[in-house]
Amino acid sequence: QKEVEQNSGPLSVPEGAIASLNCTYSDRGSQSFFWYRQYSGKSPELIMFIYSNGDKEDGRFTAQLNKASQYVSLLIRDSQPSDSATYLCAPSGYSTLTFGKGTMLLVSP
Amino acid sequence: DVKVTQSSRYLVKRTGEKVFLECVQDMDHENMFWYRQDPGLGLRLIYFSYDVKMKEKGDIPEGYSVSREKKERFSLILESASTNQTSMYLCASSRLTEKWVNSPLHFGNGTRLTVT
Repeated sequence: QKEVEQNSGPLSVPEGAIASLNCTYSDRGSQSFFWYRQYSGKSPELIMFIYSNGDKEDGRFTAQLNKASQYVSLLIRDSQPSDSATYLCAPSGYSTLTFGKGTMLLVSP
Repeated sequence: DVKVTQSSRYLVKRTGEKVFLECVQDMDHENMFWYRQDPGLGLRLIYFSYDVKMKEKGDIPEGYSVSREKKERFSLILESASTNQTSMYLCASSRLTEKWVNSPLHFGNGTRLTVT
């Protein structure tokens, strides 16, 4: 059984701070990792993917992957109230994505 | 942009009814998926399909069936709706790549189904 663990939160950060979202996974066969953002009442949207160990940066977002530790994280710099959402981690399996339950992020003005 | 369209945003059905949830994608994606999302339980995969007329069970297929007669359309069927199937249903599609693992999902807007 593949497992994906995320702290459900909420993670509360002030505007302008760095938000750090973490995810651990059990399937060592996972090669790619996706971060989705889901606003309340909306469907998930892809914001980052990473498949190599190390960091991948895209604007204010940085994904970090450590395959040996089976750990992936998402850093959001200069957090904005519009970043308030649930963030879902999804390590890929051989055929499908397995989603974590998500971490709710609240950014206060 | 990929567009995944689910036929209904809100649906209310009675216990025992047969329910059809329709999903259409316009990007010629090979893979299509049905998830349900419940508070505290996250996204759970019901069924997926990687080709026309092909289907695979996900984690929670009981009480559901699917149909994929055309590449762009993937239907979820609740043969006899029950109250525990009240949920948000999300359809998604993705491209088939040489490696499955590099293919992100594109989601529809979801159908909130209430079974009374």
